[in-house]
Amino acid sequence: ETGVTQSPTHLIKTRGQQVTLRCSSQSGHNTVSWYQQALGQGPQFIFQYYREEENGRGNFPPRFSGLQFPNYSSELNVNALELDDSALYLCASSSTSYEQYFGPGTRLTVT
Amino acid sequence: GQQLNQSPQSMFIQEGEDVSMNCTSSSIFNTWLWYKQDPGEGPVLLIALYKAGELTSNGRLTAQFGITRKDSFLNISASIPSDVGIYFCAGPSDSGNTPLVFGKGTRLSVIA
Repeated sequence: ETGVTQSPTHLIKTRGQQVTLRCSSQSGHNTVSWYQQALGQGPQFIFQYYREEENGRGNFPPRFSGLQFPNYSSELNVNALELDDSALYLCASSSTSYEQYFGPGTRLTVT
Repeated sequence: GQQLNQSPQSMFIQEGEDVSMNCTSSSIFNTWLWYKQDPGEGPVLLIALYKAGELTSNGRLTAQFGITRKDSFLNISASIPSDVGIYFCAGPSDSGNTPLVFGKGTRLSVIA
């Protein structure tokens, strides 16, 4: 059984640029959730996708958007990057609603 | 919105000691999840609790779902160096869209 994978591992971008992060869900899981984790904090929910449709969204602006593909993999896109967007971005997949399994994360640094 | 409060924020213990940490909320949760996060990694699910009063073990780890449904406890027995990390409690939010709400974590350091 393959776990959740994310790419890239690390990324450095300049303020105002756009970024795309990718996630492959664990086999058998049809739901993908994205979280932002700032240093010293717990993960904060961004949004969730179920069968290619957005299925819930946290308190993040519209410049955070996403996609889910037929194979249940997913992308997180962030436009007009700000310095405060620097964080660890985590993807989690699940088949039941509550037990979510996380990938290793993508560390985004915005300069 | 819902908040989960974890205590202590951090703890230093000697190898071999037992550890206890807790998570409380002002609102009721129907599920409690405990995760461990190593530096630079994603959280790993340790234990899931679904019933008030439930006590569940995973090796040296034991977690309990509080009777009031507003708290949960995690105990680690006979700590070892690889127990070092940040322990998070989490539960489904009441938004109806089933995202997880996380506490801020308890940072555990083990002194050999």
